[in-house]
Amino acid sequence: SQTIHQWPATLVQPVGSPLSLECTVEGTSNPNLYWYRQAAGRGLQLLFYSIGIGQISSEVPQNLSASRPQDRQFILSSKKLLLSDSGFYLCAWSVRSGASWGNNEQFFGPGTRLTVL
Amino acid sequence: AQKVTQAQTEISVVEKEDVTLDCVYETRDTTYYLFWYKQPPSGELVFLIRRNSFDEQNEISGRYSWNFQKSTSSFNFTITASQVVDSAVYFCALSESYGGSQGNLIFGKGTKLSVKP
Repeated sequence: SQTIHQWPATLVQPVGSPLSLECTVEGTSNPNLYWYRQAAGRGLQLLFYSIGIGQISSEVPQNLSASRPQDRQFILSSKKLLLSDSGFYLCAWSVRSGASWGNNEQFFGPGTRLTVL
Repeated sequence: AQKVTQAQTEISVVEKEDVTLDCVYETRDTTYYLFWYKQPPSGELVFLIRRNSFDEQNEISGRYSWNFQKSTSSFNFTITASQVVDSAVYFCALSESYGGSQGNLIFGKGTKLSVKP
C-alpha cells in the first residue's frame, strides 16, 4: 500500500531563517506530487506541483520554492521566511494517468505546522 | 472560473442527528470531478469520495451519502446518525479534467462540524 510521509511535524522558525520541508511517498512510482498551504481559518491553496523529477510548476508567486530530486521525494524550501509563511503545509500525491489529470484523487500526508515568529 | 462554495462555516449537532453539508461549484468545463475530504483535528486530509460529472447517481457508504445535482451545481454530503468521531472540518473540492495544473484541486473553505454527545 502507498504511504506518504512529511517531516518535521511541527516547526517554529524566526523571521528571515531558511526552511526545508520534506515529503516522501512509498509504494508507488511516477506520482504527481503537490504542496498545499492551509492558513489559519482558510481553505487549502496549491503552492507547487510536479509531474516528474526536476519538473516543478508554481501556482502562486512567493518566497518559497520546491524541488523534486528523486521520483518520490518533494521538498519545499525558503531562503528567508516571512511572518506570512506561517501555516499548515500539506504534501499530496496522485496517480499520473495519461492526458486526463483531474480524475484521480489526491492523498495527503500528515502535514507540517510551521510557525514563523 | 472554477470556484467551490461551502456556505456553512460551522455546524453543531447532537449525536445521532442527521446533518447535511452543502457544496456548490462553478466550472466551465463539461468534464470535471468533485471530491469530499475530511480533516480531523490531527490535520491530515482523508479522502472520502470522488464523482465525475457524467455520473449523477447518488452514493451511499455506510452512514455517509452524497447527492450530486448538475442542475443546481451542487454536491451535498449527508451524515446520518452522526457520531462524535464525525467531528472534523469537511472540504469539498473540484478538479477539471484537462486543467493546466495537472488535476489541481480547488477547495472550498470547509465546514467545521461539531458533534456533541
